[in-house]
Amino acid sequence: QKEVEQNSGPLSVPEGAIASLNCTYSDRGSQSFFWYRQYSGKSPELIMFIYSNGDKEDGRFTAQLNKASQYVSLLIRDSQPSDSATYLCAVKSSGTYKYIFGTGTRLKVLA
Amino acid sequence: GAVVSQHPSWVICKSGTSVKIECRSLDFQATTMFWYRQFPKQSLMLMATSNEGSKATYEQGVEKDKFLINHASLTLSTLTVTSAHPEDSSFYICSALRGSSSQETQYFGPGTRLLVL
Repeated sequence: QKEVEQNSGPLSVPEGAIASLNCTYSDRGSQSFFWYRQYSGKSPELIMFIYSNGDKEDGRFTAQLNKASQYVSLLIRDSQPSDSATYLCAVKSSGTYKYIFGTGTRLKVLA
Repeated sequence: GAVVSQHPSWVICKSGTSVKIECRSLDFQATTMFWYRQFPKQSLMLMATSNEGSKATYEQGVEKDKFLINHASLTLSTLTVTSAHPEDSSFYICSALRGSSSQETQYFGPGTRLLVL
């Protein structure tokens, strides 16, 4: 059973701080990794994807991938109250079209 | 980013009626689309994978005769909930795959909220 694990939270951080969201996955054949943000009552929105080991930065967001440890994380710098949402980690294995989603981590940024 | 639309965004119907939900990729062609369902405060649940020009692949436990999927073109997939009952009330979300091979990325539509009375 391929699994993606996330801490459900809530993770509370003060405004302006760095929020660190973590995700582990079980399938070593996974090749593509995604972070989605889902506001309450809305559908998921793609924030970032990463395919290679290391860091990938996009504005205030940095995705970090460590395939040896089967670990992917998302850092949000200068967190804003508008970042308060559930963050979903998704993993796609090679040779498959399906994504395996984690259950999401709820982030609360306190003003 | 890629744009995926869904219609309608909200639907309220009586028990026993059928409801059709459309999912369109507006600025790209999508050979593969997915249909998810999400109950309040729960995770996304994949219902089926829709492939253009072929039959949909349903996940275990999802009744294919109840949730009819048609993917007649590269920009449109439809989900029909047949003989809807109150337990089918949920948030239905479609997504479309854009890109090729390892660079494929899934983009979600805004979702359709279904309430069956």
